[in-house]
Amino acid sequence: DSGVTQTPKHLITATGQRVTLRCSPRSGDLSVYWYQQSLDQGLQFLIQYYNGEERAKGNILERFSAQQFPDLHSELNLSSLELGDSALYFCASSLGGSGRAGNTGELFFGEGSRLTVL
Amino acid sequence: AQSVSQHNHHVILSEAASLELGCNYSYGGTVNLFWYVQYPGQHLQLLLKYFSGDPLVKGIKGFEAEFIKSKFSFNLRKPSVQWSDTAEYFCAVNAGYGGATNKLIFGTGTLLAVQP
Repeated sequence: DSGVTQTPKHLITATGQRVTLRCSPRSGDLSVYWYQQSLDQGLQFLIQYYNGEERAKGNILERFSAQQFPDLHSELNLSSLELGDSALYFCASSLGGSGRAGNTGELFFGEGSRLTVL
Repeated sequence: AQSVSQHNHHVILSEAASLELGCNYSYGGTVNLFWYVQYPGQHLQLLLKYFSGDPLVKGIKGFEAEFIKSKFSFNLRKPSVQWSDTAEYFCAVNAGYGGATNKLIFGTGTLLAVQP
């Protein structure tokens, strides 16, 4: 158990719909990262938040958005869903936001949310 | 931009065979290097990591990796694999000390199947 909690574990929805994935980081971790894992794209970094603020952005579509709340949990919102959005969405957390001294940089991953768009 | 290449996409071995999975990264500055493992249906777990010091790092379950700076490589090794090592293995890199973010860039993964 990594200490990172993701809900829901599985989600089936239709094209055009909107879903929200939720992540609770490990106790004490300030950073949350979202990754998308699909068969054709592998593990793609989407976005990182550190203590409520966006820290880094990757290959995240405009239809997708995320936020981190004051209690440090994060939500990834996926809208106007397409068949190609079907994937496993992982959340990870770490203590810090950057490679500073005292921060190992290791990410701890949740078990993922499997999204199926029909 | 950082990138990670894993040369072996699919490896099939018999139990007790030796394993070496290749990983090369492209980044000119200081890096932190990681190997993660994903067992079927599970989340990614850290196998081992390199930040500095001894370039030969030992991880869990008998895995080790060697950082060769001149070759930009961080290959994963295990002298004798077991059926329970069947999993997907990911090499990853971040920018290291002074980087603006801890985000990890992952390779495409290597699917290892160990036959009993």
